[in-house]
Amino acid sequence: SQKIEQNSEALNIQEGKTATLTCNYTNYSPAYLQWYRQDPGRGPVFLLLIRENEKEKRKERLKVTFDTTLKQSLFHITASQPADSATYLCALAQDSSYKLIFGSGTRLLVRP
Amino acid sequence: DVKVTQSSRYLVKRTGEKVFLECVQDMDHENMFWYRQDPGLGLRLIYFSYDVKMKEKGDIPEGYSVSREKKERFSLILESASTNQTSMYLCASSWGGRALEQFFGPGTRLTVL
Repeated sequence: SQKIEQNSEALNIQEGKTATLTCNYTNYSPAYLQWYRQDPGRGPVFLLLIRENEKEKRKERLKVTFDTTLKQSLFHITASQPADSATYLCALAQDSSYKLIFGSGTRLLVRP
Repeated sequence: DVKVTQSSRYLVKRTGEKVFLECVQDMDHENMFWYRQDPGLGLRLIYFSYDVKMKEKGDIPEGYSVSREKKERFSLILESASTNQTSMYLCASSWGGRALEQFFGPGTRLTVL
């Protein structure tokens, strides 16, 4: 069956370090992969989109990689800050579809 | 800024009641979506619409229906609420085309007693 996996355990890091979150998938051939941030009690907010023919995408302190051979995306936040504490969701889309398939998210805690 | 608003932040209903959740977006987006979010299960798509009066089932449409009479408004209807429909409901919208970034509303936390 199709599956998207994100680490369900919270990631706890010290301020200033790089946070790395993982999104693994099976039985998909996504054309796009997206990352969202979700704060408690709020809707997700779009961060980055990466296409299957792109290896890496950057936006300010954020970096996303997409390895279609490993079926994995890594999401990095460099120089992390307590304000980066949130749940981060990855989402996949097939090229032919309007639909996004979401992972259940990984909670990031950045300690001051 | 794109704004997606939902009619209520919190709602408490009784089993068997008909429930309406409304979503409005102000950016002329073609696509609109309804999700529910439960702990450990992530966001699951209930229904989506890519045009006025058009709708398609998502992954968990049972017990729900939708209505899109105007481009900016997408309603989710629970015909007869049940306790297993207690959840966070999220509406989203996006530009026309496929698999583009989605803009989410703040969510409605529905409790069915």
